[in-house]
Parts: sequence; C-alpha cells; structure tokens
Amino acid sequence: DQQVKQNSPSLSVQEGRISILNCDYTNSMFDYFLWYKKYPAEGPTFLISISSIKDKNEDGRFTVFLNKSAKHLSLHIVPSQPGDSAVYFCAASSDSNYQLIWGAGTKLIIKP
Amino acid sequence: DAEITQSPRHKITETGRQVTLACHQTWNHNNMFWYRQDLGHGLRLIHYSYGVQDTNKGEVSDGYSVSRSNTEDLPLTLESAASSQTSVYFCASSNSGRYNEQFFGPGTRLTVL
Repeated sequence: DQQVKQNSPSLSVQEGRISILNCDYTNSMFDYFLWYKKYPAEGPTFLISISSIKDKNEDGRFTVFLNKSAKHLSLHIVPSQPGDSAVYFCAASSDSNYQLIWGAGTKLIIKP
Repeated sequence: DAEITQSPRHKITETGRQVTLACHQTWNHNNMFWYRQDLGHGLRLIHYSYGVQDTNKGEVSDGYSVSRSNTEDLPLTLESAASSQTSVYFCASSNSGRYNEQFFGPGTRLTVL
C-alpha cells in the first residue's frame, strides 16, 4: 500500500509561470515532509521540507504547503525557470525511525 | 568537503554472476541506505543500516545483501544477478535530526544480461 502518492507522472509549464506539484499521503503519523529534485544521471538532492506542525514553508522561489486535514502537500515554484526541469520526489518521515517514504516522482518540464 | 561516492558508475554483468556495488561516505553519518530506482516506482528501499554491524531489510531485499564493518562504507552485493535487477542504484546517508534528510550518491547504472 503506497503511503505517499504523486499522481501526476509529468507536468509541463511555461517558463515564468507557476509550477504546482502535488503529493498525497495516507499515514497521519508522519512528522516531516521533504521534496527532492533529481536531474538525469545524478542522485536526488534535497530541496525543501516542512514539519507537520506547520502549514507553509518558503525558500526563495520554492514554497511548500501542507494541508493535514486533507493529507495533502504541494510544492509551488514561482517563477518557473528552465533549470527547474527535473523529476521531483515527495518523501515523508517520522520521529520513530530514520527512513524516508517516497512518492513515485513527477517529471516537470519547463517550456521556453 | 564531505561527500558520498558510488562505484562503479556503470556496470554490465551476466545473469548468475555475483556483483558488488560500493558506497563510501565522508559525512560520518550513522545511517546508510540503498535504493533502486525504476520507472513508475520512484525509490524503493533495498537495505539500510543505522550503525556499524547493524543491517536491516527494506521492501525489496530479496537477492541482495549488505554488510557494515565501518561507518564510511555500505557495499551492496547481488548474490546471483538476475535480469530483474537491471536498475539504477542509489546509496544515501543521514544523521538523526534535520527532518531525516538524506544525502545521495550519484548512482550506479547496472545492466544484467
């Protein structure tokens, strides 16, 4: 049973517009949520995170929103740039262990 | 600078052969993980270790083994390679705290013919 789901395998956005990537989860015991970015032939790199006690975290062009009642989080990228084209993974973790539970990823394509 | 490295970056082997993928980190992290990435599946956990002499099975551990004799290294062994193990393999490490953030190596692309 997938505990973390990214239902959109791919997303295409015009350069300069907002990109919104979505992630749903089923386990209400998760304490943290993380977004990773992955370029081809490279390992994933950490992008931004949010604690379950918050509903928003912002870092430059990247903002993550958490809706605990809906068990839903989203990553907003504003404005989108060509270098943002990558696969984005949503992951969740809890204080009870050190593992990350991963979504399947969303491939973001930024069109010029 | 601290880093995590994997070798080889690319490997082609034959069915039935034993293969070992290396992972070395200089972060001095206690926790190390091995994942495989396949299209449509994201990152699936193979094995993990929370310290020297500690190893645990992940969700897709069949056909794989690991050993942890020091803090820096967690080699992944495919006992008898199968075509279903053709994949990209990532090693990661973390310490407790900081949202359980993991740091990844560059990956090893393994092809089993």
